[in-house]
Amino acid sequence: AQKVTQAQTEISVVEKEDVTLDCVYETRDTTYYLFWYKQPPSGELVFLIRRNSFDEQNEISGRYSWNFQKSTSSFNFTITASQVVDSAVYFCALSEKFRYSTLTFGKGTMLLVSP
Amino acid sequence: DAGVIQSPRHEVTEMGQEVTLRCKPISGHDYLFWYRQTMMRGLELLIYFNNNVPIDDSGMPEDRFSAKMPNASFSTLKIQPSEPRDSAVYFCASSLEVGITEAFFGQGTRLTVV
Repeated sequence: AQKVTQAQTEISVVEKEDVTLDCVYETRDTTYYLFWYKQPPSGELVFLIRRNSFDEQNEISGRYSWNFQKSTSSFNFTITASQVVDSAVYFCALSEKFRYSTLTFGKGTMLLVSP
Repeated sequence: DAGVIQSPRHEVTEMGQEVTLRCKPISGHDYLFWYRQTMMRGLELLIYFNNNVPIDDSGMPEDRFSAKMPNASFSTLKIQPSEPRDSAVYFCASSLEVGITEAFFGQGTRLTVV
């Protein structure tokens, strides 16, 4: 069965610090997809990124970067030079193609960025 | 597109009352999902539809919960009768595919049953 573990429940940083959110997953499929979502205090879930299991290239989007490592079954998310607006709960999620599975979410990591 | 639209945003109701949550998915998306979010259990999938047909409702907690999708642009989640333990945020989401593409979420309905 698929499983996503976000071991960090809460992280607190000061503005401009870099922060990495960890995500470890379990799956039996060879083709799967990994996602990150952001849930700001306003409550909506915002899609950030999707990655398929055959693409291990790191992705960078502005201050956000993602490191996908199949060898350790991890898909970590780094925010560089964090800002107060980055304060949110971040969810990692997994789906499996051949089982046509829906998203399985981790428990989320709450990030608090203070000025 | 306006994204996934849910209504109401907030609902407060008394125990025993019927509650109906509404969702309009993104046009062209064939899949619609209902999720529930609580502190204790996180995000749980309740049910999902493909082309208006329910595919998996194994996450629906009890017979008090029912969901319908009468057409491609509208879905409802009904709780009858409601109980305090149903208090949660209910999200609707839609996607082009399942297992492959990302799902886009509505803003959620915060339900409080007193």
